[in-house]
Amino acid sequence: SQTIHQWPATLVQPVGSPLSLECTVEGTSNPNLYWYRQAAGRGLQLLFYSVGIGQISSEVPQNLSASRPQDRQFILSSKKLLLSDSGFYLCAWKRFRGEKLLFGSGTQLSVL
Amino acid sequence: QQPVQSPQAVILREGEDAVINCSSSKALYSVHWYRQKHGEAPVFLMILLKGGEQKGHEKISASFNEKKQQSSLYLTASQLSYSGTYFCGTGDSNDYKLSFGAGTTVTVRA
Repeated sequence: SQTIHQWPATLVQPVGSPLSLECTVEGTSNPNLYWYRQAAGRGLQLLFYSVGIGQISSEVPQNLSASRPQDRQFILSSKKLLLSDSGFYLCAWKRFRGEKLLFGSGTQLSVL
Repeated sequence: QQPVQSPQAVILREGEDAVINCSSSKALYSVHWYRQKHGEAPVFLMILLKGGEQKGHEKISASFNEKKQQSSLYLTASQLSYSGTYFCGTGDSNDYKLSFGAGTTVTVRA
């Protein structure tokens, strides 16, 4: 069966520190992968999506970046975190066009 | 561009019905509906594809008007478990980019 793993579940980081969040999908190949961020009490903001290895589309120009080094691995990074980067980060995937989007369990990031 | 959801919030008593609307200014290939409980990831409810279909899941159903780029989620005979924030997500023509609305908070009271 297909599953998505996202870690860590919670993270507290100081301002100016780097960030690396990892997401992996099992049981499928060539998934479409997504990173969303949700500020407290707000909606889901699409940050990045990828339809293949090395292919990254950025929706929000800021100090975050994403990479897809392997088919089923999606990484969200930052060199220097800002207070405004705090939020609930969700990785998601779907197999192909017209398929449902499934979310990982999320990472609650607090930047202090 | 993000879809627009309405209303922002709704309060129901058990057994009452509600409708949540989602509209987009762009042509859509898909509409996804999710429910999120506080502190948890969104849970998939249903997907509607281009073609103007209607779907149902227990007492929750949805419709998709492709020409108007609108979708509605119908909560029928609401239960306490229906409480949460409902999001619609819309897929563009190639269905790669999925954008979400701001959400509708549903509170069901006994």
